[in-house]
Amino acid sequence: ILNVEQSPQSLHVQEGDSTNFTCSFPSSNFYALHWYRWETAKSPEALFVMTLNGDEKKKGRISATLNTKEGYSYLYIKGSQPEDSATYLCAQPSGNTPLVFGKGTRLSVIA
Amino acid sequence: DAGVTQSPTHLIKTRGQQVTLRCSPKSGHDTVSWYQQALGQGPQFIFQYYEEEERQRGNFPDRFSGHQFPNYSSELNVNALLLGDSALYLCASSLRMRDAFFGQGTRLTVV
Repeated sequence: ILNVEQSPQSLHVQEGDSTNFTCSFPSSNFYALHWYRWETAKSPEALFVMTLNGDEKKKGRISATLNTKEGYSYLYIKGSQPEDSATYLCAQPSGNTPLVFGKGTRLSVIA
Repeated sequence: DAGVTQSPTHLIKTRGQQVTLRCSPKSGHDTVSWYQQALGQGPQFIFQYYEEEERQRGNFPDRFSGHQFPNYSSELNVNALLLGDSALYLCASSLRMRDAFFGQGTRLTVV
């Protein structure tokens, strides 16, 4: 089973700051990379599904890039707002496992 | 559309007991997957049901079993509960084993 790593584990930013975090994964046998946002007491919400090397996707102030050759994806949040506070998870399909998740990055945006 | 619904939201059980968790998939979805999220970890895949059969299984003991009904809803059963089974249990539904939509989870505490 592949190992999906996320860093940092947590971070605190001021409202208005831009931030980014990393998801690392084995570059061999790549199929897709999923990003989820998970707010406390809610369901994980799908943000992006990325499949192609060099992919860049954007949803409002959130964007993500993908490098399948070196095995990483970055998630960027521009001008962080308190409502961006959540845990951000990345995940990959692997073998017979629909999704193998990282441990997540917990973001706190301070007003 | 109610999305993915899980019940109950919380429950407390005693070691050695058995528990059943329930999941209703998003309308139109035919596949249900179950994940366990222990404290400080990312969600871990337990198993997936499609066409009323277990199609894929993660690294969980036989104490974890499931079922899918003709209306695509699903149950997760855990026998002989251990303290280590305390976790958030997430259900995800999808169409033909593709992208997953998650429920809010059931918080199980074993005492």
